[in-house]
Amino acid sequence: AQSVTQLDSHVSVSEGTPVLLRCNYSSSYSPSLFWYVQHPNKGLQLLLKYTSAATLVKGINGFEAEFKKSETSFHLTKPSAHMSDAAEYFCVVSHPISGGYNKLIFGAGTRLAVHP
Amino acid sequence: GAGVSQSPSNKVTEKGKDVELRCDPISGHTALYWYRQSLGQGLEFLIYFQGNSAPDKSGLPSDRFSAERTGGSVSTLTIQRTQQEDSAVYLCASSRRGGLETQYFGPGTRLLVL
Repeated sequence: AQSVTQLDSHVSVSEGTPVLLRCNYSSSYSPSLFWYVQHPNKGLQLLLKYTSAATLVKGINGFEAEFKKSETSFHLTKPSAHMSDAAEYFCVVSHPISGGYNKLIFGAGTRLAVHP
Repeated sequence: GAGVSQSPSNKVTEKGKDVELRCDPISGHTALYWYRQSLGQGLEFLIYFQGNSAPDKSGLPSDRFSAERTGGSVSTLTIQRTQQEDSAVYLCASSRRGGLETQYFGPGTRLLVL
Protein backbone atom coordinates (compact mmCIF):
# COMPACT_ATOMS: atom_id res chain seq x y z
CA ALA A 1 0.00 0.00 0.00
CA GLN A 2 1.06 3.55 -0.64
CA SER A 3 1.70 5.94 2.22
CA VAL A 4 3.63 9.07 3.05
CA THR A 5 5.09 10.23 6.34
CA GLN A 6 5.85 13.86 6.99
CA LEU A 7 8.54 13.90 9.58
CA ASP A 8 7.78 17.29 11.12
CA SER A 9 4.37 18.57 12.13
CA HIS A 10 5.71 22.11 12.59
CA VAL A 11 8.70 23.91 11.10
CA SER A 12 9.69 27.45 11.97
CA VAL A 13 12.22 29.48 9.99
CA SER A 14 13.31 33.07 9.72
CA GLU A 15 12.57 35.06 6.60
CA GLY A 16 15.40 34.71 4.10
CA THR A 17 16.66 31.37 5.47
CA PRO A 18 16.29 28.00 3.73
CA VAL A 19 13.23 25.83 4.09
CA LEU A 20 13.33 22.04 4.37
CA LEU A 21 10.13 20.03 4.77
CA ARG A 22 10.74 16.31 5.01
CA CYS A 23 8.70 13.51 3.52
CA ASN A 24 9.26 9.78 3.27
CA TYR A 25 7.11 7.51 1.19
CA SER A 26 6.25 3.86 1.11
CA SER A 27 5.29 2.25 -2.16
CA SER A 28 5.32 -1.18 -3.69
CA TYR A 29 6.17 0.29 -7.09
CA SER A 30 7.47 3.52 -8.59
CA PRO A 31 5.29 6.20 -7.08
CA SER A 32 3.98 9.51 -8.28
CA LEU A 33 4.51 12.13 -5.62
CA PHE A 34 3.22 15.63 -5.09
CA TRP A 35 3.50 18.55 -2.73
CA TYR A 36 0.40 20.64 -2.11
CA VAL A 37 0.15 23.83 -0.08
CA GLN A 38 -2.85 25.10 1.86
CA HIS A 39 -2.92 28.72 2.95
CA PRO A 40 -5.33 29.67 5.73
CA ASN A 41 -8.93 29.56 4.55
CA LYS A 42 -7.85 28.76 1.02
CA GLY A 43 -7.98 25.65 -1.12
CA LEU A 44 -5.17 23.21 -1.74
CA GLN A 45 -2.75 24.30 -4.45
CA LEU A 46 -0.32 22.05 -6.27
CA LEU A 47 3.31 23.11 -5.75
CA LEU A 48 4.98 20.41 -7.80
CA LYS A 49 4.74 16.79 -8.90
CA TYR A 50 7.08 13.92 -9.67
CA THR A 51 5.97 11.33 -12.19
CA SER A 52 9.16 9.34 -12.94
CA ALA A 53 10.85 11.90 -15.18
CA ALA A 54 13.63 14.09 -13.73
CA THR A 55 14.31 13.35 -10.07
CA LEU A 56 14.73 17.04 -9.23
CA VAL A 57 11.39 18.71 -9.67
CA LYS A 58 10.93 22.45 -9.75
CA GLY A 59 7.63 23.94 -8.68
CA ILE A 60 6.00 27.27 -8.20
CA ASN A 61 7.22 30.06 -5.92
CA GLY A 62 10.81 28.83 -5.90
CA PHE A 63 10.10 25.45 -4.31
CA GLU A 64 11.71 22.25 -5.48
CA ALA A 65 11.83 18.63 -4.38
CA GLU A 66 14.17 15.76 -5.08
CA PHE A 67 13.02 12.19 -5.47
CA LYS A 68 15.54 9.84 -3.84
CA LYS A 69 14.61 6.23 -4.37
CA SER A 70 17.43 4.87 -2.20
CA GLU A 71 16.18 6.92 0.74
CA THR A 72 12.46 6.71 -0.15
CA SER A 73 12.33 10.46 0.35
CA PHE A 74 10.78 13.43 -1.41
CA HIS A 75 11.82 16.44 0.65
CA LEU A 76 10.63 19.93 -0.25
CA THR A 77 13.12 22.80 -0.21
CA LYS A 78 13.33 26.49 -0.91
CA PRO A 79 16.54 28.52 -0.69
CA SER A 80 15.02 31.58 0.95
CA ALA A 81 11.74 31.75 2.85
CA HIS A 82 9.26 34.56 2.40
CA MET A 83 6.60 35.59 4.87
CA SER A 84 4.00 34.55 2.30
CA ASP A 85 5.25 30.95 2.46
CA ALA A 86 3.63 30.49 5.87
CA ALA A 87 1.05 27.75 5.29
CA GLU A 88 0.43 24.04 5.69
CA TYR A 89 2.24 21.75 3.29
CA PHE A 90 1.14 18.25 2.35
CA CYS A 91 3.24 15.51 0.84
CA VAL A 92 1.04 13.31 -1.31
CA VAL A 93 1.35 10.00 -3.13
CA SER A 94 -1.03 8.80 -5.79
CA HIS A 95 -2.64 5.39 -5.50
CA PRO A 96 -4.32 3.68 -8.44
CA ILE A 97 -8.00 2.87 -8.08
CA SER A 98 -10.17 1.61 -10.88
CA GLY A 99 -10.43 2.59 -14.51
CA GLY A 100 -6.94 4.09 -14.67
CA TYR A 101 -7.84 6.68 -12.05
CA ASN A 102 -5.78 7.63 -9.02
CA LYS A 103 -6.71 8.81 -5.59
CA LEU A 104 -4.39 11.01 -3.58
CA ILE A 105 -3.09 9.83 -0.23
CA PHE A 106 -2.05 12.75 1.94
CA GLY A 107 0.52 13.00 4.67
CA ALA A 108 -0.46 14.56 7.98
CA GLY A 109 0.89 17.95 6.93
CA THR A 110 3.66 20.26 8.06
CA ARG A 111 2.79 23.71 9.27
CA LEU A 112 5.46 26.20 8.20
CA ALA A 113 5.85 29.39 10.19
CA VAL A 114 8.07 32.19 8.86
CA HIS A 115 9.34 34.82 11.27
CA PRO A 116 10.65 38.27 10.39
CA GLY B 1 -11.55 29.65 -16.77
CA ALA B 2 -12.85 29.59 -13.24
CA GLY B 3 -11.57 27.07 -10.75
CA VAL B 4 -13.48 24.48 -8.78
CA SER B 5 -16.23 26.04 -6.74
CA GLN B 6 -18.09 24.61 -3.77
CA SER B 7 -21.17 25.67 -1.91
CA PRO B 8 -22.00 26.46 0.75
CA SER B 9 -18.65 27.60 2.11
CA ASN B 10 -19.87 26.97 5.64
CA LYS B 11 -22.74 24.88 6.95
CA VAL B 12 -23.93 24.49 10.52
CA THR B 13 -26.55 21.84 11.12
CA GLU B 14 -28.11 19.94 13.95
CA LYS B 15 -27.39 16.31 14.58
CA GLY B 16 -29.83 14.12 12.68
CA LYS B 17 -30.48 16.56 9.85
CA ASP B 18 -29.55 15.89 6.21
CA VAL B 19 -27.12 18.13 4.34
CA GLU B 20 -26.19 18.56 0.69
CA LEU B 21 -22.82 19.82 -0.41
CA ARG B 22 -22.29 20.98 -3.97
CA CYS B 23 -19.26 20.98 -6.23
CA ASP B 24 -18.86 22.70 -9.59
CA PRO B 25 -15.76 21.33 -11.31
CA ILE B 26 -13.63 23.10 -13.85
CA SER B 27 -15.45 23.10 -17.17
CA GLY B 28 -14.46 20.15 -19.33
CA HIS B 29 -12.97 18.11 -16.50
CA THR B 30 -14.28 14.57 -16.69
CA ALA B 31 -12.90 13.39 -13.36
CA LEU B 32 -14.26 14.62 -10.05
CA TYR B 33 -13.15 13.64 -6.55
CA TRP B 34 -14.42 14.19 -3.03
CA TYR B 35 -12.11 14.29 -0.02
CA ARG B 36 -12.67 15.04 3.64
CA GLN B 37 -10.31 16.95 5.94
CA SER B 38 -10.89 16.43 9.64
CA LEU B 39 -8.81 16.90 12.77
CA GLY B 40 -8.71 13.27 13.66
CA GLN B 41 -8.30 11.69 10.22
CA GLY B 42 -6.39 14.25 8.20
CA LEU B 43 -7.21 14.37 4.50
CA GLU B 44 -8.95 11.25 3.23
CA PHE B 45 -10.38 10.22 -0.10
CA LEU B 46 -14.12 9.56 -0.25
CA ILE B 47 -15.26 8.91 -3.82
CA TYR B 48 -14.54 9.73 -7.44
CA PHE B 49 -16.54 10.09 -10.64
CA GLN B 50 -15.68 9.10 -14.18
CA GLY B 51 -18.18 11.27 -15.97
CA ASN B 52 -21.43 10.59 -14.11
CA SER B 53 -20.38 7.18 -12.87
CA ALA B 54 -18.91 6.39 -9.44
CA PRO B 55 -17.33 2.95 -9.87
CA ASP B 56 -16.12 2.59 -6.30
CA LYS B 57 -18.01 3.82 -3.26
CA SER B 58 -15.91 1.99 -0.68
CA GLY B 59 -14.24 5.18 0.54
CA LEU B 60 -17.49 6.62 1.84
CA PRO B 61 -17.40 6.44 5.66
CA SER B 62 -20.91 5.02 6.10
CA ASP B 63 -24.12 4.34 4.22
CA ARG B 64 -25.37 7.73 5.36
CA PHE B 65 -23.09 9.24 2.73
CA SER B 66 -24.01 9.29 -0.94
CA ALA B 67 -22.90 11.25 -3.97
CA GLU B 68 -24.10 11.83 -7.47
CA ARG B 69 -23.00 13.71 -10.52
CA THR B 70 -25.22 14.88 -13.33
CA GLY B 71 -24.46 16.04 -16.86
CA GLY B 72 -20.79 15.27 -16.33
CA SER B 73 -20.56 18.46 -14.33
CA VAL B 74 -22.04 19.35 -10.94
CA SER B 75 -21.74 16.86 -8.11
CA THR B 76 -23.64 16.67 -4.85
CA LEU B 77 -22.45 14.93 -1.70
CA THR B 78 -25.33 14.14 0.63
CA ILE B 79 -25.00 13.21 4.26
CA GLN B 80 -28.14 11.84 5.86
CA ARG B 81 -28.85 11.90 9.60
CA THR B 82 -25.68 13.84 10.32
CA GLN B 83 -23.57 12.97 13.33
CA GLN B 84 -21.05 15.10 15.19
CA GLU B 85 -18.19 13.03 13.78
CA ASP B 86 -19.22 14.20 10.31
CA SER B 87 -17.92 17.68 11.17
CA ALA B 88 -15.07 18.34 8.77
CA VAL B 89 -14.07 20.27 5.69
CA TYR B 90 -15.31 18.54 2.56
CA LEU B 91 -13.10 19.17 -0.45
CA CYS B 92 -13.88 18.61 -4.08
CA ALA B 93 -11.28 18.29 -6.83
CA SER B 94 -11.43 17.82 -10.57
CA SER B 95 -9.00 16.81 -13.28
CA ARG B 96 -9.17 16.74 -17.06
CA ARG B 97 -9.11 12.98 -17.11
CA GLY B 98 -8.04 10.23 -14.78
CA GLY B 99 -4.52 8.93 -14.51
CA LEU B 100 -1.95 11.33 -13.14
CA GLU B 101 -3.62 14.50 -14.34
CA THR B 102 -3.34 17.24 -11.75
CA GLN B 103 -6.25 17.40 -9.36
CA TYR B 104 -7.42 20.98 -8.79
CA PHE B 105 -9.12 21.57 -5.47
CA GLY B 106 -12.00 23.80 -4.51
CA PRO B 107 -12.01 25.90 -1.33
CA GLY B 108 -14.08 23.34 0.56
CA THR B 109 -17.27 23.31 2.58
CA ARG B 110 -16.77 23.54 6.32
CA LEU B 111 -19.47 21.44 7.98
CA LEU B 112 -20.23 21.71 11.67
CA VAL B 113 -22.73 19.33 13.21
CA LEU B 114 -24.00 20.46 16.60
